[in-house]
Amino acid sequence: QKEVEQDPGPLSVPEGAIVSLNCTYSNSAFQYFMWYRQYSRKGPELLMYTYSSGNKEDGRFTAQVDKSSKYISLFIRDSQPSDSATYLCAPKTANDYKLSFGAGTTVTVRA
Amino acid sequence: EAQVTQNPRYLITVTGKKLTVTCSQNMNHEYMSWYRQDPGLGLRQIYYSMNVEVTDKGDVPEGYKVSRKEKRNFPLILESPSPNQTSLYFCASSPMMNQPQHFGDGTRLSIL
Repeated sequence: QKEVEQDPGPLSVPEGAIVSLNCTYSNSAFQYFMWYRQYSRKGPELLMYTYSSGNKEDGRFTAQVDKSSKYISLFIRDSQPSDSATYLCAPKTANDYKLSFGAGTTVTVRA
Repeated sequence: EAQVTQNPRYLITVTGKKLTVTCSQNMNHEYMSWYRQDPGLGLRQIYYSMNVEVTDKGDVPEGYKVSRKEKRNFPLILESPSPNQTSLYFCASSPMMNQPQHFGDGTRLSIL
């Protein structure tokens, strides 16, 4: 079993829809949870960074962490064609630099 | 501009011909790391370095070498490349343990 499971999609939605992405993980020591966005032919760029359980909102993006269920979510409201990318969840423990990545979900927002 | 720079961006080569992929960061970050990205497998860590002259294996180190002689540079060396090392490679850096990692734009290696 992989340490981080993420549905690879692909996911195709119309412009303006809410995009819901999620990951599950097995390591209960994970304390920091990141979402990266990766455009084609580019490196991953940090989108959201949260600590422990709870919600964090940044503009149209909301990250949720439920440590009791080992479940991580990212919501994109009012999705735009420019949101078309691969989204990677990446949790880590508090005492290690190492990121454990999900396989990534490819999202296409249709104009 | 703060960035992680990898070179080359694309390389096609043959089995057994030694190659080096360079990585340089201008942010004075302590930590640097190499990943490979393969379809369905996500990003897997190859090697990492917590500071100058301090390196350690990640999850998939076989067939790779690294060195960290200066803080800003962290080259990835394939002494005898094989076709199963055909992949997309990323270098990343981070200032401190619980700060996010910044990634380069990747190097696509094809080994024939």
